[in-house]
Amino acid sequence: AQSVTQLGSHVSVSEGALVLLRCNYSSSVPPYLFWYVQYPNQGLQLLLKYTTGATLVKGINGFEAEFKKSETSFHLTKPSAHMSDAAEYFCAVSDRGGGNKLTFGTGTQLKVEL
Amino acid sequence: EAGVTQFPSHSVIEKGQTVTLRCDPISGHDNLYWYRRVMGKEIKFLLHFVKESKQDESGMPNNRFLAERTGGTYSTLKVQPAELEDSGVYFCASSQDVSGYYEQYFGPGTRLTVT
Repeated sequence: AQSVTQLGSHVSVSEGALVLLRCNYSSSVPPYLFWYVQYPNQGLQLLLKYTTGATLVKGINGFEAEFKKSETSFHLTKPSAHMSDAAEYFCAVSDRGGGNKLTFGTGTQLKVEL
Repeated sequence: EAGVTQFPSHSVIEKGQTVTLRCDPISGHDNLYWYRRVMGKEIKFLLHFVKESKQDESGMPNNRFLAERTGGTYSTLKVQPAELEDSGVYFCASSQDVSGYYEQYFGPGTRLTVT
């Protein structure tokens, strides 16, 4: 069965600093890869996804992620954090051809400090 | 276009009672998913409908949980009788197609507390 590991349940950065949220998956066959964000009292919103093609994927709000097959990783980055980025971030995968059910990591709560 | 809606937003019930959660997907989305997040844990898949048919219910924890999607529109998830370990946030999502190319749109969730 698939598993997703997000290192760090809580990450704190200063405003303007680099954001790096880590995600590793377990499958030997590269799955579809997703990052979702949840703001307080809202549903999950898709930030970006990797399905095929270019391994550096750009998403909304200045976020991007790079798929590295050799490292089974899909880390999320943003060059400069903003206060509005404070939220919980979830990495998720789905098997290709598997009905698209998502397997999630445990989530990372991002705090942005002045 | 309205997003995925869920009702109620919060529910507090006693152990042994019954609760029914409702999800209205985005209009035209044949695929509807239920997920659950128990506090401190990851969001876990419960089941997947394609129209009114259960495509995959491998994540349903036990037979106290019953999901329906009559007419292929809204869905309900009934928990009967509720146990303490059923507490958590229940999310519903919908998508146009099963391929990972199609985004799953999530509702805000229903927070269920069983006391």
